[in-house]
Parts: sequence; structure tokens; C-alpha cells
Amino acid sequence: DAGVTQSPTHLIKTRGQHVTLRCSPISGHKSVSWYQQVLGQGPQFIFQYYEKEERGRGNFPDRFSARQFPNYSSELNVNALLLGDSALYLCASSLSTGGQETQYFGPGTRLLVL
Amino acid sequence: QQPVQSPQAVILREGEDAVINCSSSKALYSVHWYRQKHGEAPVFLMILLKGGEQKGHDKISASFNEKKQQSSLYLTASQLSYSGTYFCGTEISGGGADGLTFGKGTHLIIQP
Repeated sequence: DAGVTQSPTHLIKTRGQHVTLRCSPISGHKSVSWYQQVLGQGPQFIFQYYEKEERGRGNFPDRFSARQFPNYSSELNVNALLLGDSALYLCASSLSTGGQETQYFGPGTRLLVL
Repeated sequence: QQPVQSPQAVILREGEDAVINCSSSKALYSVHWYRQKHGEAPVFLMILLKGGEQKGHDKISASFNEKKQQSSLYLTASQLSYSGTYFCGTEISGGGADGLTFGKGTHLIIQP
């Protein structure tokens, strides 16, 4: 079975631009979470979506937004990019929500903001 | 609140054992352990729920001490493939809506 897939794998943008990252969860998984991982740190929670609804949001500014589609794939959008947004953006899928659910991570999108 | 992992880094010879700790100042619902190799996604190892339990598969096991709000990951007879950064992710509410809060990681280097 295919795991979590993300696109693109790498992206270079300049300050002020907008970016859209995409994620396809494992087949049968209905929940998608987004994390930001800066170099040398653990992943930091951005959003969780379940059944197309936002279920949770981390401590990120409103420049960050996301949505989930009827096929459970998801997009993460970041507006007005800052240098500090440079990071690895990880998508994780799980069957449903809940602290007992295993989250499986995709390979990530590496974003560089110049 | 971010869990605290210790040690920050450890270097071992192949075949030696390692213990990685993850402590929280808040009561935890679950602890999730992942291993991440350089340039790759975190790979799930195991999950432990409150109630105090121990899990394991192959030579990797973990425990969760609910009284201390501490989880420990045990790597026995380490192999070269165990090298990487180990993260614990914690969840407080049980509802999952707050996502996982990860520690800063423990870098493990296994030398032949």
C-alpha cells in the first residue's frame, strides 16, 4: 500500500510570496495533520483536519491556512512568506483523530524562502 | 509544553544498549516514539497510552511511567540501522485535536 505522499518535494520562494503544499493520506485514513520542522528541532503542530473539518490548530499565525478535500487529501497554504518559514513541512495521516491514533508521516516538502 | 528528552546525543558501538528518556511537566494521555534519519520523514516506532505500560518489538521497547509522566525507549544490542534522531511526541487531552507535541530529539550514532 502507498504511504503518505506529498508534493512538491522541494520549493524555493522569495519573501512575500504565497505557497501551496499538497498531501495525500494513506488509503482509508480520514485525518490529516500538518507539522513544521525547522532544522535541529522536532516537528511542530500546525493543523489537524478530519472529515474535511478543522479539528485543531497550533500556535501559528493566520498566514497559515489549510483545507481537506472530499477524497481526504489536503492542502497547506502559507501567505506572505517570511524567511523564518523555511522548514520541512510534514503531513501525517491517521485513521481518525484521538491521542491513541498512530500518525504516519509523509516524506515532507522542503521549503526555502529567500 | 514541550517534553524534555535526554540525553541530547549518544554515541554507541554496535551491540551496546541505549536508553532515551522523555519527560513531561503535564499529565500525558499518550506518548508516541519516532525515529528520523537525516533528510527523511519520521518513522513510527510505537505508542504508549496512559495507564502505565510497556511495549516492545524486536530489540526496541518502551515504557510509560504515569506517576512520573516519563517514557523511556530502550534499544538493546543496537544495530547500525538504529542510527538517527529519536523523537517523542506527547498528547495530553486524548482527543487528538492538539496534535502531538514533540521534544527536541535525541541523536543516536551507532559505530561499527
